[in-house]
Amino acid sequence: AQTVTQSQPEMSVQEAETVTLSCTYDTSENNYYLFWYKQPPSRQMILVIRQEAYKQQNATENRFSVNFQKAAKSFSLKISDSQLGDTAMYFCAFMKLDYKLSFGAGTTVTVRA
Amino acid sequence: GAGVSQSPSNKVTEKGKDVELRCDPISGHTALYWYRQSLGQGLEFLIYFQGNSAPDKSGLPSDRFSAERTGGSVSTLTIQRTQQEDSAVYLCASSPSLSYNEQFFGPGTRLTVL
Repeated sequence: AQTVTQSQPEMSVQEAETVTLSCTYDTSENNYYLFWYKQPPSRQMILVIRQEAYKQQNATENRFSVNFQKAAKSFSLKISDSQLGDTAMYFCAFMKLDYKLSFGAGTTVTVRA
Repeated sequence: GAGVSQSPSNKVTEKGKDVELRCDPISGHTALYWYRQSLGQGLEFLIYFQGNSAPDKSGLPSDRFSAERTGGSVSTLTIQRTQQEDSAVYLCASSPSLSYNEQFFGPGTRLTVL
């Protein structure tokens, strides 16, 4: 089974500042996908960013970027210019070619005004 | 277009009762997934359906849990003889196909077993 570890239960950041969330995973697979999902209080899981393991280039989506270190099995998320609407729980997730998502325990991010 | 919808939004039931949770996927999506989010176990995969293929039931925690997908669209997750440890948020997701690597989630059903 795949294990996804998020070691930061909670993070707080000032509006407009940058915050980085850590994620490590354990797998023997070579081909897989990694994701960061956001879950606001509405419970709806929203995809923030994804990374294919075969791509060396780090994914970027507007203010969100990842640092993917395949050898270290690390996949951190950087939120730049934090906004109040970024307040949510963030889940790191792994998917191999069985198409089942394995999630970390989540990191609660609070953006302070 | 409309996203994934789930009903009811919240369900309170008594221990030992059966419950049915419903998921309406995005139109045209052939793959449908159920996940459970609980305080003790976090987010875990339960089952997925892909078209007319046999579902992957490998994540169902016990034989009290079952799911079906009628007509390749709506899915129902049934929990028989509910237990307090079944209390959780049940999330449904869909995607255009299994190989499409983004899953689109619904808002979930919060189940409370008293």
